[in-house]
Amino acid sequence: DAKTTQPPSMDCAEGRAANLPCNHSTISGNEYVYWYRQIHSQGPQYIIHGLKNNETNEMASLIITEDRKSSTLILPHATLRDTAVYYCIVRVEAGGTSYGKLTFGQGTILTVHP
Amino acid sequence: KAGVTQTPRYLIKTRGQQVTLSCSPISGHRSVSWYQQTPGQGLQFLFEYFSETQRNKGNFPGRFSGRQFSNSRSEMNVSTLELGDSALYLCASSLGFSTGVEGYTFGSGTRLTVV
Repeated sequence: DAKTTQPPSMDCAEGRAANLPCNHSTISGNEYVYWYRQIHSQGPQYIIHGLKNNETNEMASLIITEDRKSSTLILPHATLRDTAVYYCIVRVEAGGTSYGKLTFGQGTILTVHP
Repeated sequence: KAGVTQTPRYLIKTRGQQVTLSCSPISGHRSVSWYQQTPGQGLQFLFEYFSETQRNKGNFPGRFSGRQFSNSRSEMNVSTLELGDSALYLCASSLGFSTGVEGYTFGSGTRLTVV
Protein backbone atom coordinates (compact mmCIF):
# COMPACT_ATOMS: atom_id res chain seq x y z
CA ASP A 1 0.00 0.00 0.00
CA ALA A 2 1.20 3.50 -0.82
CA LYS A 3 2.52 5.64 2.00
CA THR A 4 0.80 8.83 3.00
CA THR A 5 2.04 12.08 4.50
CA GLN A 6 -0.15 14.28 6.67
CA PRO A 7 0.59 17.34 8.80
CA PRO A 8 0.82 16.36 12.46
CA SER A 9 -1.68 18.93 13.66
CA MET A 10 -4.15 21.57 12.49
CA ASP A 11 -6.50 24.06 14.11
CA CYS A 12 -9.89 25.20 12.94
CA ALA A 13 -12.48 27.63 14.27
CA GLU A 14 -15.92 26.24 15.01
CA GLY A 15 -18.30 26.77 12.10
CA ARG A 16 -15.53 27.18 9.57
CA ALA A 17 -14.43 24.63 7.01
CA ALA A 18 -11.60 22.31 7.99
CA ASN A 19 -9.37 21.29 5.08
CA LEU A 20 -7.08 18.37 5.87
CA PRO A 21 -4.41 17.58 3.26
CA CYS A 22 -2.82 14.25 2.46
CA ASN A 23 0.06 13.49 0.11
CA HIS A 24 0.25 10.06 -1.53
CA SER A 25 2.66 10.60 -4.40
CA THR A 26 3.35 6.86 -4.91
CA ILE A 27 -0.30 5.86 -5.24
CA SER A 28 -1.05 3.17 -7.82
CA GLY A 29 -3.87 3.17 -10.32
CA ASN A 30 -5.94 0.62 -8.40
CA GLU A 31 -5.50 2.16 -4.96
CA TYR A 32 -8.25 4.06 -3.23
CA VAL A 33 -7.94 6.96 -0.80
CA TYR A 34 -9.78 6.45 2.47
CA TRP A 35 -10.28 8.73 5.45
CA TYR A 36 -10.93 7.60 8.99
CA ARG A 37 -11.01 9.56 12.22
CA GLN A 38 -10.51 8.59 15.82
CA ILE A 39 -12.05 10.56 18.61
CA HIS A 40 -10.30 10.19 21.94
CA SER A 41 -10.77 6.77 23.56
CA GLN A 42 -12.94 5.45 20.73
CA GLY A 43 -12.28 3.19 17.77
CA PRO A 44 -11.62 4.68 14.32
CA GLN A 45 -14.66 5.77 12.35
CA TYR A 46 -14.97 5.62 8.57
CA ILE A 47 -15.55 9.01 6.92
CA ILE A 48 -15.26 8.73 3.16
CA HIS A 49 -13.28 7.16 0.33
CA GLY A 50 -12.64 7.71 -3.37
CA LEU A 51 -10.64 6.57 -6.38
CA LYS A 52 -10.26 9.56 -8.68
CA ASN A 53 -13.48 11.52 -8.62
CA ASN A 54 -14.42 13.94 -5.89
CA GLU A 55 -16.80 12.45 -3.37
CA THR A 56 -19.28 13.89 -0.89
CA ASN A 57 -21.38 12.36 1.84
CA GLU A 58 -23.19 13.60 4.91
CA MET A 59 -19.97 13.89 6.88
CA ALA A 60 -17.42 15.36 4.50
CA SER A 61 -16.12 15.95 0.99
CA LEU A 62 -13.05 14.39 -0.56
CA ILE A 63 -11.14 16.23 -3.25
CA ILE A 64 -8.53 14.20 -5.16
CA THR A 65 -6.13 15.97 -7.51
CA GLU A 66 -6.12 15.00 -11.15
CA ASP A 67 -2.75 13.23 -10.87
CA ARG A 68 -4.06 11.51 -7.70
CA LYS A 69 -0.88 12.34 -5.80
CA SER A 70 -2.70 14.26 -3.12
CA SER A 71 -6.15 14.74 -1.64
CA THR A 72 -8.00 16.98 0.78
CA LEU A 73 -10.69 16.05 3.25
CA ILE A 74 -13.12 18.89 3.83
CA LEU A 75 -15.38 19.18 6.85
CA PRO A 76 -17.65 22.01 5.67
CA HIS A 77 -18.78 23.34 9.06
CA ALA A 78 -16.51 22.03 11.79
CA THR A 79 -17.90 21.57 15.28
CA LEU A 80 -16.18 20.90 18.58
CA ARG A 81 -17.15 17.23 18.21
CA ASP A 82 -14.97 17.01 15.09
CA THR A 83 -11.85 17.33 17.24
CA ALA A 84 -10.08 14.04 16.53
CA VAL A 85 -7.13 12.38 14.83
CA TYR A 86 -7.77 12.08 11.09
CA TYR A 87 -6.11 9.30 9.14
CA CYS A 88 -5.59 9.20 5.40
CA ILE A 89 -5.13 5.63 4.12
CA VAL A 90 -4.31 4.43 0.64
CA ARG A 91 -4.94 0.82 -0.30
CA VAL A 92 -6.33 -1.53 -2.91
CA GLU A 93 -9.91 -2.60 -2.46
CA ALA A 94 -9.30 -6.20 -3.49
CA GLY A 95 -8.62 -9.09 -1.13
CA GLY A 96 -5.55 -11.21 -0.58
CA THR A 97 -3.12 -9.62 1.85
CA SER A 98 -5.45 -6.66 2.23
CA TYR A 99 -8.09 -8.63 4.10
CA GLY A 100 -8.90 -6.78 7.28
CA LYS A 101 -5.73 -4.75 7.12
CA LEU A 102 -5.65 -0.98 7.30
CA THR A 103 -2.24 0.66 7.43
CA PHE A 104 -2.59 3.70 9.66
CA GLY A 105 0.00 6.47 9.69
CA GLN A 106 0.32 9.02 12.47
CA GLY A 107 -2.59 11.07 11.16
CA THR A 108 -3.46 14.73 11.71
CA ILE A 109 -4.69 15.94 15.08
CA LEU A 110 -7.48 18.38 14.27
CA THR A 111 -8.45 20.72 17.07
CA VAL A 112 -11.65 22.69 16.61
CA HIS A 113 -11.84 25.67 18.95
CA PRO A 114 -14.76 27.95 19.85
CA LYS B 1 -28.46 -2.15 15.27
CA ALA B 2 -25.92 -3.04 17.94
CA GLY B 3 -22.35 -2.08 17.25
CA VAL B 4 -19.14 -3.97 17.82
CA THR B 5 -18.82 -5.04 21.44
CA GLN B 6 -15.48 -5.56 23.10
CA THR B 7 -15.05 -6.95 26.57
CA PRO B 8 -13.68 -6.17 29.00
CA ARG B 9 -13.15 -2.42 28.56
CA TYR B 10 -10.25 -2.29 30.99
CA LEU B 11 -7.85 -4.94 32.21
CA ILE B 12 -4.79 -4.96 34.45
CA LYS B 13 -2.46 -7.94 34.27
CA THR B 14 0.95 -8.85 35.66
CA ARG B 15 3.99 -9.64 33.53
CA GLY B 16 4.11 -13.29 32.57
CA GLN B 17 0.38 -13.81 32.76
CA GLN B 18 -1.85 -14.42 29.81
CA VAL B 19 -4.99 -12.57 28.77
CA THR B 20 -8.02 -13.21 26.56
CA LEU B 21 -9.99 -10.41 24.96
CA SER B 22 -13.37 -10.81 23.34
CA CYS B 23 -15.04 -9.16 20.36
CA SER B 24 -18.63 -9.58 19.21
CA PRO B 25 -19.13 -8.26 15.68
CA ILE B 26 -22.18 -6.62 14.22
CA SER B 27 -24.90 -9.17 13.51
CA GLY B 28 -24.38 -10.62 10.05
CA HIS B 29 -20.72 -9.64 9.84
CA ARG B 30 -18.40 -12.58 9.37
CA SER B 31 -15.01 -10.88 9.41
CA VAL B 32 -13.24 -9.70 12.55
CA SER B 33 -9.90 -7.88 12.54
CA TRP B 34 -7.74 -7.03 15.52
CA TYR B 35 -5.46 -4.03 16.03
CA GLN B 36 -3.04 -2.88 18.70
CA GLN B 37 -2.70 0.84 19.41
CA THR B 38 0.19 2.27 21.40
CA PRO B 39 1.50 5.85 21.68
CA GLY B 40 4.79 4.87 20.09
CA GLN B 41 3.69 2.59 17.25
CA GLY B 42 0.19 3.86 16.55
CA LEU B 43 -2.43 1.51 15.16
CA GLN B 44 -1.02 -1.80 13.98
CA PHE B 45 -2.83 -4.71 12.38
CA LEU B 46 -2.68 -8.01 14.26
CA PHE B 47 -4.82 -10.48 12.29
CA GLU B 48 -8.12 -11.03 10.54
CA TYR B 49 -10.57 -13.91 10.77
CA PHE B 50 -13.37 -14.89 8.42
CA SER B 51 -15.61 -17.91 8.90
CA GLU B 52 -13.37 -19.26 11.67
CA THR B 53 -10.23 -19.07 9.49
CA GLN B 54 -7.34 -16.66 9.78
CA ARG B 55 -6.98 -14.96 6.40
CA ASN B 56 -4.36 -12.37 7.17
CA LYS B 57 -1.74 -11.73 9.81
CA GLY B 58 0.43 -8.80 10.84
CA ASN B 59 3.99 -8.79 12.16
CA PHE B 60 3.51 -9.77 15.75
CA PRO B 61 5.19 -12.56 17.73
CA GLY B 62 3.53 -15.91 18.25
CA ARG B 63 2.47 -14.88 21.75
CA PHE B 64 -0.40 -13.11 20.04
CA SER B 65 -3.05 -15.49 18.78
CA GLY B 66 -6.72 -15.45 17.98
CA ARG B 67 -9.66 -17.51 17.00
CA GLN B 68 -13.16 -17.09 15.71
CA PHE B 69 -16.23 -19.08 16.62
CA SER B 70 -19.08 -20.26 14.43
CA ASN B 71 -21.21 -17.28 15.55
CA SER B 72 -18.41 -14.95 14.30
CA ARG B 73 -17.43 -13.84 17.78
CA SER B 74 -13.68 -13.63 18.11
CA GLU B 75 -11.16 -13.82 20.89
CA MET B 76 -7.53 -12.83 20.94
CA ASN B 77 -5.03 -14.19 23.42
CA VAL B 78 -1.71 -12.83 24.53
CA SER B 79 0.52 -15.19 26.47
CA THR B 80 3.52 -14.40 28.65
CA LEU B 81 2.60 -10.75 28.90
CA GLU B 82 5.31 -8.11 28.67
CA LEU B 83 5.20 -4.49 29.78
CA GLY B 84 5.26 -3.47 26.12
CA ASP B 85 1.96 -5.24 25.50
CA SER B 86 0.19 -2.45 27.36
CA ALA B 87 -2.06 -0.96 24.72
CA LEU B 88 -5.54 -0.32 23.46
CA TYR B 89 -6.71 -3.42 21.56
CA LEU B 90 -9.35 -2.72 18.94
CA CYS B 91 -11.41 -5.05 16.85
CA ALA B 92 -13.27 -4.23 13.67
CA SER B 93 -16.03 -6.19 11.99
CA SER B 94 -17.15 -6.31 8.39
CA LEU B 95 -19.20 -8.46 6.07
CA GLY B 96 -15.94 -9.91 4.81
CA PHE B 97 -17.02 -10.57 1.24
CA SER B 98 -15.72 -7.22 0.06
CA THR B 99 -12.73 -5.53 1.59
CA GLY B 100 -14.16 -2.10 0.96
CA VAL B 101 -12.90 -0.15 3.91
CA GLU B 102 -16.19 1.57 4.54
CA GLY B 103 -17.50 -1.75 5.74
CA TYR B 104 -15.24 -1.82 8.79
CA THR B 105 -16.85 -0.88 12.08
CA PHE B 106 -14.59 -0.60 15.08
CA GLY B 107 -15.38 -1.31 18.68
CA SER B 108 -14.33 0.99 21.52
CA GLY B 109 -11.45 -1.28 22.47
CA THR B 110 -10.01 -3.00 25.51
CA ARG B 111 -7.41 -1.06 27.44
CA LEU B 112 -4.80 -3.53 28.68
CA THR B 113 -2.25 -2.47 31.28
CA VAL B 114 0.60 -4.82 32.13
CA VAL B 115 2.36 -4.15 35.44
